Amino acid sequence: GQQVMQIPQYQHVQEGEDFTTYCNSSTTLSNIQWYKQRPGGHPVFLIQLVKSGEVKKQKRLTFQFGEAKKNSSLHITATQTTDVGTYFCAGPRNQGGKLIFGQGTELSVKP
Amino acid sequence: EAGVAQSPRYKIIEKRQSVAFWCNPISGHATLYWYQQILGQGPKLLIQFQNNGVVDDSQLPKDRFSAERLKGVDSTLKIQPAKLEDSAVYLCASSYRRVNTEAFFGQGTRLTVV
Repeated sequence: GQQVMQIPQYQHVQEGEDFTTYCNSSTTLSNIQWYKQRPGGHPVFLIQLVKSGEVKKQKRLTFQFGEAKKNSSLHITATQTTDVGTYFCAGPRNQGGKLIFGQGTELSVKP
Repeated sequence: EAGVAQSPRYKIIEKRQSVAFWCNPISGHATLYWYQQILGQGPKLLIQFQNNGVVDDSQLPKDRFSAERLKGVDSTLKIQPAKLEDSAVYLCASSYRRVNTEAFFGQGTRLTVV
C-alpha cells in the first residue's frame, strides 16, 4: 500500500540554525500537505502543494514539491523557539484518496 | 467559525471494556476522518467518510472498531472490546471536500487502556 516516509525522525538545533525535513512517497501524489503539531496539541495545516516542482514560501518556511510528485521538503530558515513541534507531510495518492501521514520530524530548538 | 469538536478529551478504561468517541465536524464539511495517533508516531487513518458514506476503512480493525456518521454530520467511533495496544489519541478531522482541501483537526481524545 501507499507509504509516506519522513526523515529525519528527530532534529535538535540551536536557535538561529536552519532546519530541513524530507518527505518521500512510495507512489505519486496528487498533492502534498504539511502540518505542524505542537507538543500536546493537534495537527494544524500549514500549506498544500499541488503542481510538480512547486515552491511556496511562508515567511521563514519554504516548501517544495518534487518534479515527480513523489517527494517534498520543508525548510525553516533561522529557527526560533516557536518553531518547536512535529512536522508532518501528508498526501493522497489520487484525487479524493485517503490522506496518508508520514511519521513526522520532531524539531527541538535550543535557545 | 467553530472548529471540530470531540468528546471526551480523556478516557481511561480497563481492557475488554468498550468505549465510544464523538465528533462534530465543522459545519458544511462533507469529509470526515478518524485517525489513531500512537505516541511518537504520525496519525494513522482509520476511516474516511464522504457525507454518510464510507470512502475508506481499510485500516480499521473491524473485529473491534466500528464507526458511523449518521445524517452525514456527527460521527461516533467505538471500540469493543478494547486492548492495551489501543491506547492512543483518537483524532477526528474534517474537510470541505475530498479533493485538494486541508483537514481541520479536533483536540482529540486521549484513550488509556489499563
